[in-house]
Amino acid sequence: KAGVTQTPRYLIKTRGQQVTLSCSPISGHRSVSWYQQTPGQGLQFLFEYFSETQRNKGNFPGRFSGRQFSNSRSEMNVSTLELGDSALYLCASSLVVAADNEQFFGPGTRLTVL
Amino acid sequence: GENVEQHPSTLSVQEGDSAVIKCTYSDSASNYFPWYKQELGKGPQLIIDIRSNVGEKKDQRIAVTLNKTAKHFSLHITETQPEDSAVYFCAAKMTNEKLTFGTGTRLTIIP
Repeated sequence: KAGVTQTPRYLIKTRGQQVTLSCSPISGHRSVSWYQQTPGQGLQFLFEYFSETQRNKGNFPGRFSGRQFSNSRSEMNVSTLELGDSALYLCASSLVVAADNEQFFGPGTRLTVL
Repeated sequence: GENVEQHPSTLSVQEGDSAVIKCTYSDSASNYFPWYKQELGKGPQLIIDIRSNVGEKKDQRIAVTLNKTAKHFSLHITETQPEDSAVYFCAAKMTNEKLTFGTGTRLTIIP
C-alpha cells in the first residue's frame, strides 16, 4: 500500500509570493491534517480536513488556507509569504477523524522563503 | 487546549542499554497517545500508540506505559541499536480534536 505522498519535496520562494503544496493520502483514508515543523516551534497543527470539510483549525493567520477534494487529496496554500514561513510542512492521513485513530505522515515539503 | 511536555530533550545511551522518554499532558480528556520516530529528512513515523483504557503496550523492543491519574506516559526502548538514533515525539489527542505534540527528544545511540 502506498504511503502519503507530498509534492513538491522542496520549494524556494521569495517574500510576498504565494505557494501551494499538495498531499495525497493513503488509499482509503479520508482525513488529512497539515502540520508546520520548525526548530523553534516544533510540530504545530495547521488544519484538518475530512470529506472536503475543515474539521479543526490551529492558531495560524488567515494567510494559511487549505482544501480537500472529493478524492481526499488535499492542498494547502500560503499567501504573502514571510521569512518566518520557512519550515517543513507535513501532511498526515487517517481513516476517519472522529475516533482516536492513527495518523500517518508523508515526507514533507521543505519550504524556504528568501 | 491540550499541552504536552516531553523530557529529556536529548538523550545518549550506550548500544544495548535501555532508553526512556517521558511525557506529561494537561487535559484529562485526552484518550490517545501515539509516539513517533523522525529520522533526518523524513516525516514522523508512528512506532507505537496507546489508548486510555490500557496501562501498558509492548511491541518487541518498544513499550509504552500510561498513568492516567498522574497524566503521564513513557516510551521505553530496550536493547538499543544504532538505528534507534532519531528524534522521538510523543503526542496526545482527544476524540475529534487535533494531535498535540511534545517538543521532541533527540536520541543518540553510542556504539
